[in-house]
Amino acid sequence: GAGVSQSPRYKVAKRGQDVALRCDPISGHVSLFWYQQALGQGPEFLTYFQNEAQLDKSGLPSDRFFAERPEGSVSTLKIQRTQQEDSAVYLCASSPLASNGEKLFFGSGTQLSVL
Amino acid sequence: DQQVKQNSPSLSVQEGRISILNCDYTNSMFDYFLWYKKYPAEGPTFLISISSIKDKNEDGRFTVFLNKSAKHLSLHIVPSQPGDSAVYFCAASARGNDMRFGAGTRLTVKP
Repeated sequence: GAGVSQSPRYKVAKRGQDVALRCDPISGHVSLFWYQQALGQGPEFLTYFQNEAQLDKSGLPSDRFFAERPEGSVSTLKIQRTQQEDSAVYLCASSPLASNGEKLFFGSGTQLSVL
Repeated sequence: DQQVKQNSPSLSVQEGRISILNCDYTNSMFDYFLWYKKYPAEGPTFLISISSIKDKNEDGRFTVFLNKSAKHLSLHIVPSQPGDSAVYFCAASARGNDMRFGAGTRLTVKP
């Protein structure tokens, strides 16, 4: 496919469980972003990669959240010891440009429910 | 702190009429503004953007207006079509960094 692909589409986790969310950006896109979208809210910035370098992780809500993009393509967002407040849709976006203020291409998101 | 605000959670208009979606921002450093459209179970898709050096940008049925002094932008859709029914997010960035989103406005266009 030509778009940003995220998996799984839905994830149900028990409180305290670790989860890993995957993002396949559009091929060749330099920039990759993770956003968290709570119900009824807009996307909230979590972290930003330019190729394999994580240039901004200021939006990660706690040290339980960790993201990586080791080869500058696929990215994984990991949440350790999930809590109920982590329940949200996690959106991945990519951009062909080396900045995070331009047009973004979003995936369909992973809906995480923590019980 | 909500730097981008969409104060109307929903808007309903008749097919063929104009839809006006509003957005306010607080950060005077924002210099690039975007509108995204989101259908259920899909990610947001880019619709239209405007740089702070302009006050209007038009693309077909969609026009974005920027009023820097009021820190306000709006999206006009004319004429509105049922397929325009979606959630619309306003977004802003400063010098290519930190794109911030509003909470969204759900537009319903009635046939």
